[in-house]
Amino acid sequence: DGGITQSPKYLFRKEGQNVTLSCEQNLNHDAMYWYRQDPGQGLRLIYYSQIVNDFQKGDIAEGYSVSREKKESFPLTVTSAQKNPTAFYLCASIRRWGDQPQHFGDGTRLSIL
Amino acid sequence: AQSVTQPDIHITVSEGASLELRCNYSYGATPYLFWYVQSPGQGLQLLLKYFSGDTLVQGIKGFEAEFKRSQSSFNLRKPSVHWSDAAEYFCAVGAGGSYIPTFGRGTSLIVHP
Repeated sequence: DGGITQSPKYLFRKEGQNVTLSCEQNLNHDAMYWYRQDPGQGLRLIYYSQIVNDFQKGDIAEGYSVSREKKESFPLTVTSAQKNPTAFYLCASIRRWGDQPQHFGDGTRLSIL
Repeated sequence: AQSVTQPDIHITVSEGASLELRCNYSYGATPYLFWYVQSPGQGLQLLLKYFSGDTLVQGIKGFEAEFKRSQSSFNLRKPSVHWSDAAEYFCAVGAGGSYIPTFGRGTSLIVHP
């Protein structure tokens, strides 16, 4: 079955380190998204990509970076500039821009050591 | 700009009781509306969606929601709650053509035996 795979499930980072969260989909979806989830705050959009080699900042992009070199992959790098990176990160996709609704991966929980 | 309000942070019900989770939205045109459910440490699963047509929408797991334009609401209901329904529930509003949905902050459902 097709779906979205996020890895790892749990990730630990030391202060000052960059870490990369993986998001892979085999749904042949054009658009992909990264969200950050904190308790009581719902989902906040970090970055999104409508098509390969294109991406746009969301509401909370500072301290994060992404790339979209392949249709199936949309990795998120949490840089040392992100001062409060501890959160649950969710990746999502849609078949094409304007399509509804989103499909979600199972998330990665990032913690600071 | 679109927005979503879920007034209840927590809802506690007894198993077998009925359930209604509230969602109010703000959007200038006819919105696309969604309810998602999230189990701890997991991604979001779509329960149901409203695009147009019949204002009473049936979803998975015995859930339904009613779109009321006059009240800008899209409340989720279930006639008899099961212990396995304990989870976080998110309402979201989107628009066709440029799909960046806005999520509510979520309602945590607690089910007592």
